[in-house]
Amino acid sequence: GDSVTQMEGPVTLSEEAFLTINCTYTATGYPSLFWYVQYPGEGLQLLLKATKADDKGSNKGFEATYRKETTSFHLEKGSVQVSDSAVYFCALSRNTGGFKTIFGAGTRLFVKA
Amino acid sequence: NAGVMQNPRHLVRRRGQEARLRCSPMKGHSHVYWYRQLPEEGLKFMVYLQKENIIDESGMPKERFSAEFPKEGPSILRIQQVVRGDSAAYFCASSPAPGSADTQYFGPGTRLTVL
Repeated sequence: GDSVTQMEGPVTLSEEAFLTINCTYTATGYPSLFWYVQYPGEGLQLLLKATKADDKGSNKGFEATYRKETTSFHLEKGSVQVSDSAVYFCALSRNTGGFKTIFGAGTRLFVKA
Repeated sequence: NAGVMQNPRHLVRRRGQEARLRCSPMKGHSHVYWYRQLPEEGLKFMVYLQKENIIDESGMPKERFSAEFPKEGPSILRIQQVVRGDSAAYFCASSPAPGSADTQYFGPGTRLTVL
């Protein structure tokens, strides 16, 4: 079945460091891919998405490119801030719709001043 | 416009007790989804409801778990005779129309601990 695997955390970085959180998926066909962020005490928020191969999703300085050949959707940011400290979830869903989005286990990011 | 609200935020129960988790969707949203996140795992879909109807409960355990979304009031996820393995974070999401997770607005979750 479909699955999402993301790097284990926590990831601890200093402010202005480069961030990469790896995400790979297993799925047949061409799912849509997403990154969600959960700030402390809040619900998940959609951060960015890509719906087809080679698409790049971007938002708030974060980027991720849909790589069909490596079945990956790694999250990157060039310069993190303390306010980026949160848990990040990679996810996929079928383009045919439905409700059963598959989530990764989440990666906690700590950014130190 | 208030977001999706869940209460309680933290719930502690002893084995064999009942747990009731509440979810108030965003104003104007009539579609509610429940997800469970076990420790060190991703969120997993449990059930999708519209007002007074269960649309898809394929992710719900067959026993002890039930969900409802009455005409008036919040959606309720009910777990009877809780066991330690029920300890998890339970997230509710809502949407104005049926759709995948990217169209859903998530609540902050209820963290259930079973002693």
